[in-house]
Amino acid sequence: AQSVAQPEDQVNVAEGNPLTVKCTYSVSGNPYLFWYVQYPNRGLQFLLKYITGDNLVKGSYGFEAEFNKSQTSFHLKKPSALVSDSALYFCAVRGSNAGKSTFGDGTTLTVKP
Amino acid sequence: GAGVSQSPRYKVAKRGQDVALRCDPISGHVSLFWYQQALGQGPEFLTYFQNEAQLDKSGLPSDRFFAERPEGSVSTLKIQRTQQEDSAVYLCASSRGLAGGRAEQFFGPGTRLTVL
Repeated sequence: AQSVAQPEDQVNVAEGNPLTVKCTYSVSGNPYLFWYVQYPNRGLQFLLKYITGDNLVKGSYGFEAEFNKSQTSFHLKKPSALVSDSALYFCAVRGSNAGKSTFGDGTTLTVKP
Repeated sequence: GAGVSQSPRYKVAKRGQDVALRCDPISGHVSLFWYQQALGQGPEFLTYFQNEAQLDKSGLPSDRFFAERPEGSVSTLKIQRTQQEDSAVYLCASSRGLAGGRAEQFFGPGTRLTVL
């Protein structure tokens, strides 16, 4: 069975400060890892993914994430937060060659001016 | 539009009624996924299709739930004899690659189902 944990329901940061949204996972075999963002009244949007290769992946809107196999983590990061980054963030995992994705329960990011 | 569309956006049903939720994926996308999202939770997998074949329906909560994608494009999720616990947002997503591949999913806006 595969699972995702997002240990923080809420993350608050000041604009201009770095942000981290945490994600750990459990999956059989090699993981495919994804981050999605959900703005109010809008569907989930893809941010970035790790499939293979470089452990640091870069995505949309200046976000990046670091894959750590030994810690089974895939934390989302951004060097300088914007108020417009405020949204609900979901981490997802699936095993390679598995069709089913498992999502975490989401982390609400609030960036204050 | 180039995105995934779902209809209706909102549906109110009386307990015991049947409902049908429609998903129009991005043209040419091979894989299509259905999720159920309860308030304050992440999307929960229901089922997925690769073209017209339903490859995994392990997430469907009961035999009242049925999904189809007969021509490998539009998909319908049907819920028979709706119950209050079926109230949720139903999300559809499509992907250009095979379901087990590397491609990300593109999500529709969802259908919010309320069962009274």
